[in-house]
Amino acid sequence: SAVISQKPSRDICQRGTSLTIQCQVDSQVTMMFWYRQQPGQSLTLIATANQGSEATYESGFVIDKFPISRPNLTFSTLTVSNMSPEDSSIYLCSVEAQGTSGVGQFFGPGTRLTVL
Amino acid sequence: SQQGEEDPQALSIQEGENATMNCSYKTSINNLQWYRQNSGRGLVHLILIRSNEREKHSGRLRVTLDTSKKSSSLLITASRAADTASYFCATEGRSFQKLVFGTGTRLLVSP
Repeated sequence: SAVISQKPSRDICQRGTSLTIQCQVDSQVTMMFWYRQQPGQSLTLIATANQGSEATYESGFVIDKFPISRPNLTFSTLTVSNMSPEDSSIYLCSVEAQGTSGVGQFFGPGTRLTVL
Repeated sequence: SQQGEEDPQALSIQEGENATMNCSYKTSINNLQWYRQNSGRGLVHLILIRSNEREKHSGRLRVTLDTSKKSSSLLITASRAADTASYFCATEGRSFQKLVFGTGTRLLVSP
């Protein structure tokens, strides 16, 4: 499986500001995925990031609010823009990789964001 | 919403007992994956079962898949306090690697 790291692990931000979250993988991957987990909820896919092309956003998520960069095959960033308290969530990146039971999706440790 | 459903929402057992969690989904799938999450941290990939498989084992974990009923179960045998966590199922559709997550089961294993 892939080893995935995220920065920061947590942050507390003021309303109206923006935060950029970094995701680093220890191997080259074609697609990287960004998910949001609101408090007490399950995970929801925000967007899929391909290297060399614009990210593909899911219904309910827009590029102006969640711009994504994918400069190379091991790195991606997600920015949460003009934050409000409703953006308080855990943000996770994931990649597809070979696991012991097949090709699955593996997740980073997450970034816990609190917006005041 | 395409989100899957899991039951029970919460499960409380004693160490040594078995824990069974169920997952139902709505569309045709390529595979189904189970994850564990401790205290709102990152997800740990537990096991993947393909749509043409019916049962899979990994250590104390046993996963079944019934595509005719669009359901899966995760059995944890001889549970330990360290198994206390939230467990999620996630399905990957046939046309894309996007995962759709279930609602999750919170498992509490008491010593």
